[in-house]
Amino acid sequence: DIQMTQSPSSLSASVGDRVTITCRASQSISSYLNWYQQKTGKAPKLLIYAASSLQSGVPSRFSGSGSGTDFTLTISSLQPEDFATYYCQQSYSSLITFGGGTKVEIK
Amino acid sequence: EVQLVESGGGLVQPGGSLRLACAASEFTFSNHWMHWVRQAPGKGLVWVSHINSDGSTTNYADSVKGRFTISRDNAKNTLYLQMNSLRTEDTAVYYCAGDKRGYINYNYVNWFDPWGQGTLVTVSS
Repeated sequence: DIQMTQSPSSLSASVGDRVTITCRASQSISSYLNWYQQKTGKAPKLLIYAASSLQSGVPSRFSGSGSGTDFTLTISSLQPEDFATYYCQQSYSSLITFGGGTKVEIK
Repeated sequence: EVQLVESGGGLVQPGGSLRLACAASEFTFSNHWMHWVRQAPGKGLVWVSHINSDGSTTNYADSVKGRFTISRDNAKNTLYLQMNSLRTEDTAVYYCAGDKRGYINYNYVNWFDPWGQGTLVTVSS
């Protein structure tokens, strides 16, 4: 199975901060990488697909980059509604795997 | 509004069985692969199983292979997960998710959207 490693596992940030979350795959997955946001008690929500394509309706302060094994999710200016847990997911293999998650908390 | 609604969760004893359902509305269900994803309390997301659009191809995580069966009824716009020989470690919220695909930068990629609200399965004596 392809292992997905996210870092950090948690971070504290203030409203307006630029936040970067990284995701590393155990083997090359080209651009078969998606990002999801999950708020407490809610279902995950798609933010970014194919490494860098912004899902319709998602604010432009979210962006994704990377290819191969190293990927980044960036929030350019953190907003109060962005405090949540973020997951990367590889779809290169039919055995889908998720990263362990990054919890973004209020400083 | 596109909606996936899960049902069938509950409390079951170890070794027992449960059948989850996921009903789709305002979603061209029969055109899409579908997935089940679970999340144990306080833990991350774990993919469980998928099924292709006509139900002829399925795949499972090793942790559930031989115990869980995914199926679908396209006439009823409904996805199912039959869970047998349940273990305490199967306790989780189970989400169904639709699979969307497309060509992006010469790659045929896929992603999960939409997601259901989840149904809680608790395996305990």
